[in-house]
Amino acid sequence: TQTVSQSDAHVTVFEGDSVELRCNYSYGGSIYLSWYIQHHGRGLQFLLKYYSGNPVVQGVNGFEAEFSKSDSSFHLRKASVHWSDSAVYFCAVSLASSSFSKLVFGQGTSLSVVP
Amino acid sequence: DTTVKQNPRYKLARVGKPVNLICSQTMNHDTMYWYQKKPNQAPKLLLFYYDKILNREADTFEKFQSSRPNNSFCSLYIGSAGLEYSAMYLCASSKYSQNTLYFGAGTRLSVL
Repeated sequence: TQTVSQSDAHVTVFEGDSVELRCNYSYGGSIYLSWYIQHHGRGLQFLLKYYSGNPVVQGVNGFEAEFSKSDSSFHLRKASVHWSDSAVYFCAVSLASSSFSKLVFGQGTSLSVVP
Repeated sequence: DTTVKQNPRYKLARVGKPVNLICSQTMNHDTMYWYQKKPNQAPKLLLFYYDKILNREADTFEKFQSSRPNNSFCSLYIGSAGLEYSAMYLCASSKYSQNTLYFGAGTRLSVL
């Protein structure tokens, strides 16, 4: 069974600061890891995903995430946040062996960016 | 802008009454999914359609029904709503083997 843990329910930072949102997963096989963002009143939107290769993957709007097999982690980072980055961020895992995107999500981290 | 549309955005239902939620997508995706999201919980996959084949998760097998009359539309049907069905219902679509989901804005269902 795959599980995804996002340890921080809420994170608050000042505009211009860097931020790291943490994600840990539990699964031993070959998986896809991804991040989604949900702005208030909107649907979840894809940010980035990792399957293999360079453990640091770049996403939209300056976001990047780093995969660590030893830590079973896929943390999301941004060097300088903007107020518009305020949203809920979801980490997700899916089996690479499946052709269907049966994503298993974490509970989400609510990011608040203070001007 | 999302190209996955969900109707209605808000739905009020009485306990014991049926509920039907609608989703449409314009991307010609072959797979459509329904997730349930409750406050402070992770979105949970309920079921998905690949083409005309319905796949339901084991623990939601008999609680939810769905139909997909054509490639663009998919519905989620609750035959008799209970208080525990109050949640946000998220529809998503994807292309087979692409592993990226496109979500609608969701329908918030409140059962009273």
